[in-house]
Amino acid sequence: DVVMTQTPVSLPVSLGGQASISCRSSQSLVHSNGNTYLHWYLQKPGQSPQLLIYRVSNRFSGVPDRFSGSGSGTDFTLKISRVEPEDLGDYYCLQSTHFPPTFGGGTKLELK
Amino acid sequence: QVQLKESGPGLVQPSQTLSLTCTVSGLSLTSNSVSWIRQPPGKGLEWMGVIWSNGGTDYNSAIKSRLSISRDTSKSQVFLKMNSLQTEDTAMYFCARIGHTTGGFDYWGQGVMVTVSS
Repeated sequence: DVVMTQTPVSLPVSLGGQASISCRSSQSLVHSNGNTYLHWYLQKPGQSPQLLIYRVSNRFSGVPDRFSGSGSGTDFTLKISRVEPEDLGDYYCLQSTHFPPTFGGGTKLELK
Repeated sequence: QVQLKESGPGLVQPSQTLSLTCTVSGLSLTSNSVSWIRQPPGKGLEWMGVIWSNGGTDYNSAIKSRLSISRDTSKSQVFLKMNSLQTEDTAMYFCARIGHTTGGFDYWGQGVMVTVSS
């Protein structure tokens, strides 16, 4: 299985500040069809995960442009600018290029 | 709009079988694939398995021998059955749709908490 390694595990931030989360995969996530199936989720306390970014850099419907994704191959980054209170929670990356789909271990975004 | 909702017993005894239902609306199961994903308390997410739009299934090899996913398209329901439950199966269980455009899990149910305890 593809191992997804997220860093940091915990990320203290100030409201209005910027946050950056890294996700590295144990093998390339480029699919044979040329797409890279790396996605980012936010799970707020007591809620199910919500899709933020799909296929590396595409914002899902309704996701503010404060969220951006980048990367290629095995290294990916989620950036959050101008952090707001509703951005706090656990962030997960997911790869669905290879079977089975696997998640990163999570990053807790919390107030400094 | 697309909605998924899980239902099932909150408490299951060790060695017994878990049965969960995911009822979907706003989508057809004959053209959408649905996965089950679980999350132990305070831990990360684990993909369990999928039922594809054509009715085929795939499972996580770690639990494949204990897991079965099926569906009733006329009732818009997806079922999960897992036998030989142990305390480590205590988790929140989610169903989620695989998006055609995204390739990821784009819509999730609220989840159902299952506790394995005598």
